[in-house]
Amino acid sequence: ETGVTQTPRHLVMGMTNKKSLKCEQHLGHNAMYWYKQSAKKPLELMFVYSLEERVENNSVPSRFSPECPNSSHLFLHLHTLQPEDSALYLCASSQELPDWETLNYEQYFGPGTRLTVT
Amino acid sequence: LAKTTQPISMDSYEGQEVNITCSHNNIATNDYITWYQQFPSQGPRFIIQGYKTKVTNEVASLFIPADRKSSTLSLPRVSLSDTAVYYCLVGEVTSGTYKYIFGTGTRLKVLA
Repeated sequence: ETGVTQTPRHLVMGMTNKKSLKCEQHLGHNAMYWYKQSAKKPLELMFVYSLEERVENNSVPSRFSPECPNSSHLFLHLHTLQPEDSALYLCASSQELPDWETLNYEQYFGPGTRLTVT
Repeated sequence: LAKTTQPISMDSYEGQEVNITCSHNNIATNDYITWYQQFPSQGPRFIIQGYKTKVTNEVASLFIPADRKSSTLSLPRVSLSDTAVYYCLVGEVTSGTYKYIFGTGTRLKVLA
């Protein structure tokens, strides 16, 4: 499936590096999300954007900085990460943010970026 | 926040019906229940969602009792390709705050 793409698929970075993860959705959706998936832990919601506006920051450390320049693109800027930040970072999108009118919680996920911090 | 609890793993054989139960004792009035499937090295894929009673689509059924403190995903006649991790998710929309609580997932292994 190519609805939601993420680049790079794999990234190895040192703790002093600065890198960015990119997500692009080709579905015409208005909401985009960043998730973190660590080994043996549930998926953790990090950020939520709706129409390029951030609507949720789930207590994420400032070394993770999201950017949503338009409704099709989402970035996650990384700097001075720690080894415990090594994980699979997943991007997702949905038509709209779920609410009582849409009643639709379906999100479309990308394949993820496997990040290793050394 | 409603926390979800699922069995860590399950084994089944091809052709059998598989039922995976998720517990969410603190589910709120506004919460919907959603299930996702995840294969290795892929992002999760939506399976089904529901609020109460029973929902059925072309791949699964979702049973939710009246108290909504649990839900059961039912996969009819599984095949080897259904081997994956299945996540129960309880969505909360409260005063504009969006929190999606994924469970730890159930690793389903379908045997020939």
